[in-house]
Amino acid sequence: DIQMTQSPSSVSASVGDRVTITCRASQGISTWLAWYQHKPRKAPKLLIYTASSLQSGVPSRFSGSGSGTDFTLTISSLQPEDFATYYCQQLNSFPLTFGGGTKVEIK
Amino acid sequence: EVQVLESGGGLVQPGGSVRLSCAASGFTFGSYGMGWVRQAPGEGLEWVSGISGNGISTWYADSVKGRFSISRDNSKNTLYLQMNSLRAEDTAVYYCAKTGTGWTFDSWGQGTLVTVSS
Repeated sequence: DIQMTQSPSSVSASVGDRVTITCRASQGISTWLAWYQHKPRKAPKLLIYTASSLQSGVPSRFSGSGSGTDFTLTISSLQPEDFATYYCQQLNSFPLTFGGGTKVEIK
Repeated sequence: EVQVLESGGGLVQPGGSVRLSCAASGFTFGSYGMGWVRQAPGEGLEWVSGISGNGISTWYADSVKGRFSISRDNSKNTLYLQMNSLRAEDTAVYYCAKTGTGWTFDSWGQGTLVTVSS
């Protein structure tokens, strides 16, 4: 199984800050990686697919990069509605696996 | 508008069974793979199971293999998850999700809570 390791597990940031979250796969997954945003008692929301493609309707302050084993999600200027938990997911092979999550909190 | 709506959750005793349903609308259901993802209390997201658009291929997480069964009825635009031999560690909110590119999940339901407890 492919293990996905996210870091940090939590980050405190202010509105307007640049936030970077990393995700490392235990083996190469090309660009078969997605990023999701999840708020309590809400449905998770797809942000990025195939490592760097922005899902329709997602603000351009979100961006993704990487290939192989190392990936990054960047929020260029944090907005109040961005405080949430973010997950990466590999879609290279079954079983599909998620990272442990990164909680973005208000500083 | 794409919508998926889960139902069937509730309180079930250890060793018991429950069937979750997911009603889909707003897209050609049989053209898309579907999946179930869960979140236990205080934990992260865990993929549970997936099924191809035609229902022929299915996949499971090791934690549920042999106990859970995924199926779909494309004539009813409905996805199912039959959960047997339930354990306390299966307690979670279960989300139904539609695939987008590859096995990316681009539309999710609001989730249904399954609580396994005596």
